[in-house]
Amino acid sequence: AQSVTQLGSHVSVSEGALVLLRCNYSSSVPPYLFWYVQYPNQGLQLLLKYTTGATLVKGINGFEAEFKKSETSFHLTKPSAHMSDAAEYFCAVSPSGAGNTGKLIFGQGTTLQVKP
Amino acid sequence: EAGVVQSPRYKIIEKKQPVAFWCNPISGHNTLYWYRQNLGQGPELLIRYENEEAVDDSQLPKDRFSAERLKGVDSTLKIQPAELGDSAVYLCASSAAGLSGNNEQFFGPGTRLTVL
Repeated sequence: AQSVTQLGSHVSVSEGALVLLRCNYSSSVPPYLFWYVQYPNQGLQLLLKYTTGATLVKGINGFEAEFKKSETSFHLTKPSAHMSDAAEYFCAVSPSGAGNTGKLIFGQGTTLQVKP
Repeated sequence: EAGVVQSPRYKIIEKKQPVAFWCNPISGHNTLYWYRQNLGQGPELLIRYENEEAVDDSQLPKDRFSAERLKGVDSTLKIQPAELGDSAVYLCASSAAGLSGNNEQFFGPGTRLTVL
């Protein structure tokens, strides 16, 4: 069965500092990979996704993530944090290929705090 | 383009009472999902619809939960009777195509249920 692990339930950075949110997955075949952001009292918004092709994926708001098959990781980064980046971030996987069902399996989430 | 609409946004009920949540997906989206998000957790899929058909309800507690998607557009999720452990945010999402797992799911703002 597929699973997602987000290392660190809470990450705190200073404004302007590098943001690194970690995500590792467990899957017998490389799945589709997603990062979502959730602001308070709102639904989830897609930041970026990896399906096939280039392993470095760029998303909205200056975020990017790199799929590393050998490490089964899909860490999210942003070079310079902004106060508006404070939110909950979720990594998710979806089975690919023959197992494709459209079902998203989410990690536990990481709360990003940005200090002025 | 209007997003996924959910109502009510908040609901407080006594245990053993019934409750219903409503979702209107993005126009033209054939696939509709209901997720439950417990406090401090990632969303977990309850049920997925392709048009009117529930194609994955394996995680839906069928003794007390039911859902319907008449005419393949709006959907209602019902709990009867509610238990204390049902307190959570119930998220509805929709996507454009069927079994393509790399399609973006668009989430509504959710209904926050509190069972007293």
